Amino acid sequence: EAQVTQNPRYLITVTGKKLTVTCSQNMNHEYMSWYRQDPGLGLRQIYYSMNVEVTDKGDVPEGYKVSRKEKRNFPLILESPSPNQTSLYFCASRRAKGPPGELFFGEGSRLTVL
Amino acid sequence: DAKTTQPNSMESNEEEPVHLPCNHSTISGTDYIHWYRQLPSQGPEYVIHGLTSNVNNRMASLAIAEDRKSSTLILHRATLRDAAVYYCILGAGSYQLTFGKGTKLSVIP
Repeated sequence: EAQVTQNPRYLITVTGKKLTVTCSQNMNHEYMSWYRQDPGLGLRQIYYSMNVEVTDKGDVPEGYKVSRKEKRNFPLILESPSPNQTSLYFCASRRAKGPPGELFFGEGSRLTVL
Repeated sequence: DAKTTQPNSMESNEEEPVHLPCNHSTISGTDYIHWYRQLPSQGPEYVIHGLTSNVNNRMASLAIAEDRKSSTLILHRATLRDAAVYYCILGAGSYQLTFGKGTKLSVIP
């Protein structure tokens, strides 16, 4: 089954404690992206990657890092989380070549930073 | 980025057609029109996309105005499961899709 898998789905942590949200896709997609969703603000893109070792900032990259060492994985790293990073996070992937196709989303990771 | 304008909310009766409008007056020639929806407590899911011609798939139809400055997502027969937030998004090749606030569709039994 084609899917994007995020872990953890829920996490409560404290300010300053480094954490990583993993994202993995099994569709051999080149393009992967992270979004955060906050009430009243919709989905905002954090970082995206067009392929292995190619990453770029989205609209709200401050406080986040990403890496793309393998095609299937695109982890989101919060080096020093702060309460304003409390949010619902979504990872997404799609093929990068040819006409635009479907963007597949994970089920989301709800993060609370105390 | 070219922006879209959608109503904040709409209501529909179950089993009736729903027409969700989207205005995108600054669309460029290479922008595709994408529609996604987000059901409660789930990630967004793809609905349909198009460039110039009307498009149909198993979920919905997309009607694109001749000048491409507006489009309409058509759900032919609304069900309770169609209650969601619907996003109309522009993107050239859809690499960068900027999601707005969308239209919250309520379906009345």
